[in-house]
Amino acid sequence: KAGVTQTPRYLIKTRGQQVTLSCSPISGHRSVSWYQQTPGQGLQFLFEYFSETQRNKGNFPGRFSGRQFSNSRSEMNVSTLELGDSALYLCASSSFTGADTEAFFGQGTRLTVV
Amino acid sequence: DQQVKQNSPSLSVQEGRISILNCDYTNSMFDYFLWYKKYPAEGPTFLISISSIKDKNEDGRFTVFLNKSAKHLSLHIVPSQPGDSAVYFCAASVLGGGADGLTFGKGTHLIIQP
Repeated sequence: KAGVTQTPRYLIKTRGQQVTLSCSPISGHRSVSWYQQTPGQGLQFLFEYFSETQRNKGNFPGRFSGRQFSNSRSEMNVSTLELGDSALYLCASSSFTGADTEAFFGQGTRLTVV
Repeated sequence: DQQVKQNSPSLSVQEGRISILNCDYTNSMFDYFLWYKKYPAEGPTFLISISSIKDKNEDGRFTVFLNKSAKHLSLHIVPSQPGDSAVYFCAASVLGGGADGLTFGKGTHLIIQP
């Protein structure tokens, strides 16, 4: 069974640009969550999608957005990039049966904003 | 406001001895707790979990203890092995879908010394 796949693995963008990251969840998983990892803040929850609907949202500005497609693949978009957006962005998928919220993570996309 | 706290940024333990990683939480709505392990350049990997109806869960060398009254959990690894050297994240959630997804601590870097 293939794991969670995130593309690209590395990105370098300039301040003010926008970026789109992609995540393919484990086959059969319908819940996809996104997290930002920085050295100072650790892992912080961005948002969660389930069946193409954003179900939960963390405390991030509106520049961070996402969507989920009918095949459960998800994209995350960050507009008007700032230097502080440099981070490892992790995607996690879950079957979310209700009794088990174990999430399986991808390897992440390392975004550097210069 | 950090709802999940791992107060030790790093921990050094001799190979063969017991490693004890600690985690405190403040949100009494959390009822499901997980530990993840992360190597550099990889996404977090699920290790072990515990629901609030239990006070102990064991899986091989890994045991998680939950003290609900103290809002404290700990991960015990015994015996510690060199491959256990990694960053360990404690995470918490509310079963059935919390508004914030998984809430992570900032991690503890465990170093196993030969």
